[in-house]
Amino acid sequence: DAKTTQPPSMDCAEGRAANLPCNHSTISGNEYVYWYRQIHSQGPQYIIHGLKNNETNEMASLIITEDRKSSTLILPHATLRDTAVYYCIVRVKAAGNKLTFGGGTRVLVKP
Amino acid sequence: KAGVTQTPRYLIKTRGQQVTLSCSPISGHRSVSWYQQTPGQGLQFLFEYFSETQRNKGNFPGRFSGRQFSNSRSEMNVSTLELGDSALYLCATSTGDGDGETQYFGPGTRLLVL
Repeated sequence: DAKTTQPPSMDCAEGRAANLPCNHSTISGNEYVYWYRQIHSQGPQYIIHGLKNNETNEMASLIITEDRKSSTLILPHATLRDTAVYYCIVRVKAAGNKLTFGGGTRVLVKP
Repeated sequence: KAGVTQTPRYLIKTRGQQVTLSCSPISGHRSVSWYQQTPGQGLQFLFEYFSETQRNKGNFPGRFSGRQFSNSRSEMNVSTLELGDSALYLCATSTGDGDGETQYFGPGTRLLVL
């Protein structure tokens, strides 16, 4: 699986959009971008994933650049409960594949 | 649907003992993966089971083992516990059919080895 690079930490103001970048310059054509978050040592929570097109669900939006070498997770209106470590993972969407976690981005949402 | 459940949630053992952790997947999920999370190494993949067979394995010593039952529930066992085995053990489940292969995590079992 391709490696990802994320900033170690970032702050965000409550109510504002949080934009979390992720670089995956060695991503292959059949690799998806997945985002998970982990709140205070709970189990990681699935957020969203995508291949080429931008994706949106009730939690977040995922913007993938045209060359697929980077992506941005957008939390449209950050709340204090969004404080967590966010992990960007690229992997082949196939049976039997493991998730390889990097260090993630520690996001602190401030009032 | 009920989520992934793990038991027990907390466990304290002493060096040399063995421990068994349990994971019950989301209904319909046949793949169960196990991960270890420590402050120093982060989240690391242990192994994955599908249809009672180990399908994928991480880089952990043989003291770490697992199995899966016909109802897809999985257990992992750690024998001869070491202090370094203190960690949060997470399981993640998915359909396992290669399509829609998103993994969903349980709350974890926190193991402390004294």
